[in-house]
Amino acid sequence: LAKTTQPISMDSYEGQEVNITCSHNNIATNDYITWYQQFPSQGPRFIIQGYKTKVTNEVASLFIPADRKSSTLSLPRVSLSDTAVYYCLVGDMFSGGYNKLIFGAGTRLAVHP
Amino acid sequence: NAGVMQNPRHLVRRRGQEARLRCSPMKGHSHVYWYRQLPEEGLKFMVYLQKENIIDESGMPKERFSAEFPKEGPSILRIQQVVRGDSAAYFCASSPTASPEKLFFGSGTQLSVL
Repeated sequence: LAKTTQPISMDSYEGQEVNITCSHNNIATNDYITWYQQFPSQGPRFIIQGYKTKVTNEVASLFIPADRKSSTLSLPRVSLSDTAVYYCLVGDMFSGGYNKLIFGAGTRLAVHP
Repeated sequence: NAGVMQNPRHLVRRRGQEARLRCSPMKGHSHVYWYRQLPEEGLKFMVYLQKENIIDESGMPKERFSAEFPKEGPSILRIQQVVRGDSAAYFCASSPTASPEKLFFGSGTQLSVL
């Protein structure tokens, strides 16, 4: 299983763009990169998933360089409601399922007024 | 379409009692996952079930913990003779297939053992 490393915490201000980088040096060929968001007292919520290059949806963008050894979650113009823990997961969920994926400690993002 | 429903939201037990946590997956989902989360930590996989079958219980403690997902009704995570170390948030997630793009999580059950 590919191990991931991401910052423990980050601080930002409303209206700024936030970039959270995740390192996954041992990513395998069939692995996808998936990000989840978790608010206090709630279960995680899927944000975005990608394999290579760039993926964008209505919530965020995911940038993956050619070597795929890292990825960056980009949140445009954050608001106070984006204060949460963000998890980076790497694995071949399409073959093995989520029973083999690991949620690490995540990155605690605090957005300030 | 209701999301994943977990109940109770909060459960208080004394040491030695039994805890039963319930999870109703989203409509049409036949795959259920249970995770445990300790304060300030990430989620730890416990067990993966399909209707009437345990597929992977590699994350379950060997004793006192059991899970089921009957043909009818919710999935149940059962903890017998609870100890203080069992205090945690327990999350259930569901998916429509065995290898989904994403899981849908419930709001969790916070278990407190006195």
